[in-house]
Amino acid sequence: SAVISQKPSRDICQRGTSLTIQCQVDSQVTMMFWYRQQPGQSLTLIATANQGSEATYESGFVIDKFPISRPNLTFSTLTVSNMSPEDSSIYLCSVQRGFGSPLHFGNGTRLTVT
Amino acid sequence: ELKVEQNPLFLSMQEGKNYTIYCNYSTTSDRLYWYRQDPGKSLESLFVLLSNGAVKQEGRLMASLDTKARLSTLHITAAVHDLSATYFCAVDENTGNQFYFGTGTSLTVIP
Repeated sequence: SAVISQKPSRDICQRGTSLTIQCQVDSQVTMMFWYRQQPGQSLTLIATANQGSEATYESGFVIDKFPISRPNLTFSTLTVSNMSPEDSSIYLCSVQRGFGSPLHFGNGTRLTVT
Repeated sequence: ELKVEQNPLFLSMQEGKNYTIYCNYSTTSDRLYWYRQDPGKSLESLFVLLSNGAVKQEGRLMASLDTKARLSTLHITAAVHDLSATYFCAVDENTGNQFYFGTGTSLTVIP
């Protein structure tokens, strides 16, 4: 299974500020996925990050709010911009090693916006 | 849009009892995954089911997949407190690599 390091593990941020979450994988992967899990809820895919191209965003998520970088095959960042209390969630990065493999998740970033 | 529903959403069961969690999904897929999430933690992969009739077992948990019925089950045998967690199923859509997660089942095993 993949070793995925995600940081920060948690943060408390003020409304209107931005937070960048980093995700480092122990080996090269083609695609990295960013999920959001609101309190007590299931996971929702924010975007898929491919190295060398723009991220693909899911319905309801836009690049201006959640810009993503993918500078190489082992690293990605997700920025939560102009935060509001509604952005308080757990943000998870994940990778899939190959077709039919499960997603492996980082430990998540627990974000609280005040 | 593919929908994945689990039931029950909440399950409280006594130690030593058996129970089944159900996962229904709305589109054709041959790949289904079960995950466990402990409070405040990330998701841990439990089972990967890749074909109709697939059955996987690990300890007190057994997962199965019926792709024709679009149904997977997670059966718990002789529950113990350590199994208390939230369990998610997820479906990998045939046309792509996006995972759709179920609503989750919060399991509490009481002595």
